[in-house]
Amino acid sequence: AQSVAQPEDQVNVAEGNPLTVKCTYSVSGNPYLFWYVQYPNRGLQFLLKYITGDNLVKGSYGFEAEFNKSQTSFHLKKPSALVSDSALYFCAVRDSSSYKLIFGSGTRLLVRP
Amino acid sequence: DVKVTQSSRYLVKRTGEKVFLECVQDMDHENMFWYRQDPGLGLRLIYFSYDVKMKEKGDIPEGYSVSREKKERFSLILESASTNQTSMYLCASRHRDTYEQYFGPGTRLTVT
Repeated sequence: AQSVAQPEDQVNVAEGNPLTVKCTYSVSGNPYLFWYVQYPNRGLQFLLKYITGDNLVKGSYGFEAEFNKSQTSFHLKKPSALVSDSALYFCAVRDSSSYKLIFGSGTRLLVRP
Repeated sequence: DVKVTQSSRYLVKRTGEKVFLECVQDMDHENMFWYRQDPGLGLRLIYFSYDVKMKEKGDIPEGYSVSREKKERFSLILESASTNQTSMYLCASRHRDTYEQYFGPGTRLTVT
């Protein structure tokens, strides 16, 4: 079965430090991977995607993600965290047999001043 | 700019009521989706629609139905609301040639 795992419920980081939010996936065929962010009482906003090509993908708000096929991972990263990055982050993978996205359970990022 | 709107941000209904949640997108997208979001469970797909008048069950369709009479509008219907349907409901749309989905702001439904 296809699935996405976000092993950390919460990640805490100090402002200015690098951050990583982890995601691993299980999918048949080539993975199409996504990151979304959700601010309080808002819908999800698309951050970035990996379809093919360079393993390092750059997205909105200075975020990037690294695709690692051997480790079946797609970790979200940012070199220097901002307090305003505090939000709920979702990793998703496209179901290879349909248009559906399969979402992870989400990771809450808390950036302290 | 991409825009998906939902008819209500907050909704309170009584058990047994029929509930309509409306979603409208202005991007001429073919595909539309309804999810519910619950803490610790992420987003779970209720129903989706490939195009007008087409619908397909997602992972948790029980207790829900949908309607898509026009391309821009996708409605979620709770035939007889129950307390276990208290949740955040998110609508999304997608162009058939791309992969990312665009989300509305969500409707927080409370069933008492």
